[in-house]
Amino acid sequence: EAGVAQSPRYKIIEKRQSVAFWCNPISGHATLYWYQQILGQGPKLLIQFQNNGVVDDSQLPKDRFSAERLKGVDSTLKIQPAKLEDSAVYLCASSLMGTSGAPIDTGELFFGEGSRLTVL
Amino acid sequence: AQSVTQLGSHVSVSEGALVLLRCNYSSSVPPYLFWYVQYPNQGLQLLLKYTTGATLVKGINGFEAEFKKSETSFHLTKPSAHMSDAAEYFCAVKGLTGGGNKLTFGTGTQLKVEL
Repeated sequence: EAGVAQSPRYKIIEKRQSVAFWCNPISGHATLYWYQQILGQGPKLLIQFQNNGVVDDSQLPKDRFSAERLKGVDSTLKIQPAKLEDSAVYLCASSLMGTSGAPIDTGELFFGEGSRLTVL
Repeated sequence: AQSVTQLGSHVSVSEGALVLLRCNYSSSVPPYLFWYVQYPNQGLQLLLKYTTGATLVKGINGFEAEFKKSETSFHLTKPSAHMSDAAEYFCAVKGLTGGGNKLTFGTGTQLKVEL
C-alpha cells in the first residue's frame, strides 16, 4: 500500500514570495491533515479536512495560508506572501476517520515525509 | 483543552542501556495516547498507541509504554538501546471531545545513543 506522498521535499524562497505544497493521502482515507513543524517544536495542526470539507482550521493563518482539497482526494497548501517565520517542515497526514466501511478509527495518523520550507 | 508535556528535550543513553522518555498529558476525559518516532528527514512513524484495555502497550522495535491514569503519564521505555534508536520521539494525545480527530503533540525528545 502506497503511503502519503508529498512534494516538493525542499523549497527555498525569499520572503514575500509564494509557495505551494501538494499532498496525496493514502488511498481511501477520508481525513487529511496539514501540520506545521518548526525546528525544535512538535507538529502543530494547521487544517483538517474530511473528504472535501474543512473540519478544523482554527490555527491556520488565513491572511497568508490557504488550503484546498477539491474532489476529496489530494490537497494543496499555499502560502502567500511568505514570512521568515514560515520556515518549517510542512507535514501532511491522513487517517481513516470518516471513511465509509472502515474499522473503528483509533486516531492513528499516517504521515508523509514532509516538505521543508526555507524562507530567506 | 488537551496538552502534552515531554520532560527533557534531549536524552542520551549508552548502547544497551535502558531508554526512558517521559510524557505527561492533560485531558478532561480519558484520552487516546500515542508515541511517534521521527528519523532525520523523514515523516513521523507510529511506535505504539493506547486506546482502551490493557494499560501496558507494546510497540515496534522493542518499545513499550504504560498508561497511568493516576499520574496522567504515558512514559516510553525500551530495555536495551540500540544505535538505530537514535531519533526524535513525540508523545501525542487525542481527545474525544470537540470536533475532529485532533492530535496534539508534545515538543519532542531527541534520543542520542552512544557507544
